[in-house]
Amino acid sequence: QKEVEQDPGPLSVPEGAIVSLNCTYSNSAFQYFMWYRQYSRKGPELLMYTYSSGNKEDGRFTAQVDKSSKYISLFIRDSQPSDSATYLCAGSTNAGKSTFGDGTTLTVKP
Amino acid sequence: DAEITQSPRHKITETGRQVTLACHQTWNHNNMFWYRQDLGHGLRLIHYSYGVQDTNKGEVSDGYSVSRSNTEDLPLTLESAASSQTSVYFCASSEGAGTGENEQFFGPGTRLTVL
Repeated sequence: QKEVEQDPGPLSVPEGAIVSLNCTYSNSAFQYFMWYRQYSRKGPELLMYTYSSGNKEDGRFTAQVDKSSKYISLFIRDSQPSDSATYLCAGSTNAGKSTFGDGTTLTVKP
Repeated sequence: DAEITQSPRHKITETGRQVTLACHQTWNHNNMFWYRQDLGHGLRLIHYSYGVQDTNKGEVSDGYSVSRSNTEDLPLTLESAASSQTSVYFCASSEGAGTGENEQFFGPGTRLTVL
C-alpha cells in the first residue's frame, strides 16, 4: 500500500464549478501537508502548505487536513480554465522528505 | 532571484552509456532531492541529501548515484543507462530538516530518452 493515495481522476468540470481533490495517507508521522500544481511539461509548483490539522485558505483555494482520519483535501472555488493542471498532494515528516500521491489531472472547460 | 536549474533539459543517449544530469540551486537550501516521473507512477524518489557529504537512497535508487560536494549542486549519475530509465527527472530543494520549512521547490525537469 502506498503511503499517500490520491483519487486518480481525471476530472473534468465546467468553468465556475467547485472542485474537490482528495488524498488519504497512512503515515501517522506526517505533520506537513502540501498541494502542488503541475502544468503540462513543467515542474511541480507549491500551491498550498499546511501544518497539522485544520484549514488554510488562499484566494480561491482551500486546503483541509484531518489527521484523525488521515484525509487531505483541496477545494477550488470558481474554477477557471487556467486551473487545468495535474494536482499532487504530499505528506512530510519533520525530517524533510516528502511522499507524493500520483496526481489528479483536472480539466476546466470554458 | 533564487532559483533551481537543471541541465540538460533534453537528453537522448544509448543503452550502456553513463549519463549525468545536473541540478543547481541558489536558495542555499540544505535539502536536495531527485525524482523521476512516469505515467501511472507519479513522483518517485531516487536519492536525496540533507547536506554536504550526505546522500541517501530513495525508493527507486538502483542504477543511480549522487554526490554532494557543495550546498548548491546535486548531480545525478546513471551508471549504465537502460531503456527503463527513460523518464522525466525532477530535482527539488527545501530549506532543511527541523526548520518546519518542508515545502520543496522544483526545477523545470530533464527529459531523458535511452535508446
